[in-house]
Amino acid sequence: DARVTQTPRDKVTEMGQEVTMRCQPILGHNTVFWYRQTMMQGLELLAYFRNRAPLDDSGMPKDRFSAEMPDATLATLKIQPSEPRDSAVYFCASGLDMGAITPLMNTEAFFGQGTRLTVV
Amino acid sequence: AQSVSQHNHHVILSEAASLELGCNYSYGGTVNLFWYVQYPGQHLQLLLKYFSGDPLVKGIKGFEAEFIKSKFSFNLRKPSVQWSDTAEYFCAVKGSSASKIIFGSGTRLSIRP
Repeated sequence: DARVTQTPRDKVTEMGQEVTMRCQPILGHNTVFWYRQTMMQGLELLAYFRNRAPLDDSGMPKDRFSAEMPDATLATLKIQPSEPRDSAVYFCASGLDMGAITPLMNTEAFFGQGTRLTVV
Repeated sequence: AQSVSQHNHHVILSEAASLELGCNYSYGGTVNLFWYVQYPGQHLQLLLKYFSGDPLVKGIKGFEAEFIKSKFSFNLRKPSVQWSDTAEYFCAVKGSSASKIIFGSGTRLSIRP
């Protein structure tokens, strides 16, 4: 049963500490998304990748957040330094996007279980 | 830029009532449309999707949605809700020539037993 795997599931950290969240997309998927969910802002798109290349990270505070895909099986979202306002659930999702080449192969985004981050 | 608007923030219904949740999108091209459900404490799961073809899409658990291109809408419907449908529902849009998937603000559905 293919699924997106996120670690850790829960993270409590002190303000100022570095936080790294990891995501293993479904094998064969070529797009990876990072979303942040809070009560106030709902589900915000932070960054996304296609074929490991970052396409848009305009939703991310650049001074403290960074997103990378070191290889096709790992995506990371890093916050340094973390702040209490970063407390949220962070979801990773992956999908297959072949664009207009073979649109019938395109899929929806499959979500991981999320990382619940609490910064105190 | 693409965007999604969900009109209802919180809907409260009794069991067996009919459901319709509104979703309007903004995008100047061909779109793919999605409805996801998030049960309390869980991740988002796909209910249904529209890529092309028949604008009336049937999904899991008795849900369906209709894509009306002229109205830029993709409303979610269910003829008779159950208590287990209590959850948050998200509409999402993706331009067919782009990879980005944007979500609406969500509609919380509460079902009275």
